[in-house]
Amino acid sequence: DADVTQTPRNRITKTGKRIMLECSQTKGHDRMYWYRQDPGLGLRLIYYSFDVKDINKGEISDGYSVSRQAQAKFSLSLESAIPNQTALYFCATSEGALDEQFFGPGTRLTVL
Amino acid sequence: GQQLNQSPQSMFIQEGEDVSMNCTSSSIFNTWLWYKQDPGEGPVLLIALYKAGELTSNGRLTAQFGITRKDSFLNISASIPSDVGIYFCAGHLNAGNNRKLIWGLGTSLAVNP
Repeated sequence: DADVTQTPRNRITKTGKRIMLECSQTKGHDRMYWYRQDPGLGLRLIYYSFDVKDINKGEISDGYSVSRQAQAKFSLSLESAIPNQTALYFCATSEGALDEQFFGPGTRLTVL
Repeated sequence: GQQLNQSPQSMFIQEGEDVSMNCTSSSIFNTWLWYKQDPGEGPVLLIALYKAGELTSNGRLTAQFGITRKDSFLNISASIPSDVGIYFCAGHLNAGNNRKLIWGLGTSLAVNP
């Protein structure tokens, strides 16, 4: 079984709709991250959380919000989706001094 | 913001050839991580480096943490078709809860059988 899971894997939605992407992990890690990937732009950090009570903005947080419901769950919301939010979205987890990040399989989001 | 310069941006090689890619920065890093992303999947950690000068291997892959702590390279020996994908370097700046993971833009590798 995968250690980091993301749902849905693919989503097509319309401009203005509210969308939630979910991430769950069984690694027992405290730290969780949401990234966005666009062709040629690499991975850009949207939000991150070091524990259940900690939420921090990344470099591209505008238009997004997150919720850390439990140590194992970290959700990303687009309150009103727009076409330039079409991208691949990845959740990742890490822990401890080594802080190596482990990624989920990604969600491909298309906003029409 | 801080940047990692990863090169080359893309490579197209013949099966059996060796591959070399690198990341450089003007900043000093505490760790270097090398990831591979297969099409349609999330990045997977290949090698992690924690000390300046450290040389680490993982099968046909070898990576080194530059002695200045500002660069790292990844070599792949005797490439095979399943090496195809995007390779990312990433490095940690600072320490503790101020630690930030900075990503390169990736090297796209294509292998001709």
